[in-house]
Amino acid sequence: NAGVTQTPKFQVLKTGQSMTLQCAQDMNHNSMYWYRQDPGMGLRLIYYSASEGTTDKGEVPNGYNVSRLNKREFSLRLESAAPSQTSVYFCASASGQGADTEAFFGQGTRLTVV
Amino acid sequence: AQSVTQPDIHITVSEGASLELRCNYSYGATPYLFWYVQSPGQGLQLLLKYFSGDTLVQGIKGFEAEFKRSQSSFNLRKPSVHWSDAAEYFCAVASNTGNQFYFGTGTSLTVIP
Repeated sequence: NAGVTQTPKFQVLKTGQSMTLQCAQDMNHNSMYWYRQDPGMGLRLIYYSASEGTTDKGEVPNGYNVSRLNKREFSLRLESAAPSQTSVYFCASASGQGADTEAFFGQGTRLTVV
Repeated sequence: AQSVTQPDIHITVSEGASLELRCNYSYGATPYLFWYVQSPGQGLQLLLKYFSGDTLVQGIKGFEAEFKRSQSSFNLRKPSVHWSDAAEYFCAVASNTGNQFYFGTGTSLTVIP
């Protein structure tokens, strides 16, 4: 039972480069999320997708784009990386079914932009 | 708007001592509340959750939390801390559709022998 799988686990980018973080879940969840974690700031929501075919901005969407490719996969793209995007990125999924919901997290992607 | 406040950035306790981590939330309706734990270099693991009913909820690893609507609080407790409990703890609130989760800034727990 893989749960939520993120790739890659580590990445170093140069300023201005682009990359896509991949996320897949095998729990048939409707909702998927991308968070970034920075020291002293907890987890901040970048984008979320409440269901296949829909995406919405979270607290800190600037500089990012997302694609809900299908029910399983939710990718996060950095078109032109900046040092301020150095962070640990977490993908999560949830059933989104009211009281039955809880968020399941991937292991994270540690991204450094130099 | 929903928000979560964890007033304590860092707490240090002795092994075997009791623990209480504070969490206050802001939400317009009955909240769905969660506590997650994050070990170094790992993702977040659910400790416990509250949706309704009994205001004292039991979780994994001997943790419990009490929902107090009058104080807008959901504090996490453990009677006797073990060295393996050293980690980062996050309180979270979810919208009542279960679609959005909002996290606090976390409390880092150090356990000393």
